[in-house]
Amino acid sequence: EIVLTQSPGTLSLSPGERATLSCRASQSISSSYLAWYQQKPGQAPRLLIYGASSRATGIPDRFSGSGSGTDFTLTISRLEPEDFAVFYCQQYLNSPRTFGQGTKVEIK
Amino acid sequence: EVQLVQSGAEVKKPGESLKISCKGSGYSFTSNWIGWVRQMPGKGLEWMGIIYPADSDTIYSPSFQGRVTISADKSISTAYLQWSSLKASDTAMYYCARDKGGGWYFDLWGRGTLVTVSS
Repeated sequence: EIVLTQSPGTLSLSPGERATLSCRASQSISSSYLAWYQQKPGQAPRLLIYGASSRATGIPDRFSGSGSGTDFTLTISRLEPEDFAVFYCQQYLNSPRTFGQGTKVEIK
Repeated sequence: EVQLVQSGAEVKKPGESLKISCKGSGYSFTSNWIGWVRQMPGKGLEWMGIIYPADSDTIYSPSFQGRVTISADKSISTAYLQWSSLKASDTAMYYCARDKGGGWYFDLWGRGTLVTVSS
């Protein structure tokens, strides 16, 4: 099973700042088999990024994904008030599919 | 509207059985895998398993194999998650979600079904 480790656990930032979230895999998942989700309190997760860097339908371009191998990054270029949430990465190279434990982006 | 509509919250006792549902609409239900994701209170997401409604091919995460059963009825565009004997540790929110592009990651989610198991 591929273990995904996200860091930091919590990121405290102000609106307008840049957020950089990390997802590290226990083994290589190539450059294509990683997705990112956003989950707000009381809501279902929402797909942001798939294929490590492709934005899902309707996702603003301030969200971007990068990385390959074992190290991946989700960047939010300028935080908007509605962006504060928990973010999860998910690998879909191997079964079982697995999620990271999440990074909370909170208002500073 | 393209959506997944999940059944309502459930309160059950340990040892009871339960079947929750997820109905797809606005798209061809048999064209995409449907997965289930668990979220225990205050915790992260766990990938449980997935079914292809067209032929009911089902894959389980080892962590959930033998503990739950995933099924589907394509005639009514509905997927199911069931337990034969609930435990208190099954208390969680359960989401169904539609696979995007065959990779078993999810582009459309239901709102979730909260299952509470308590004596």
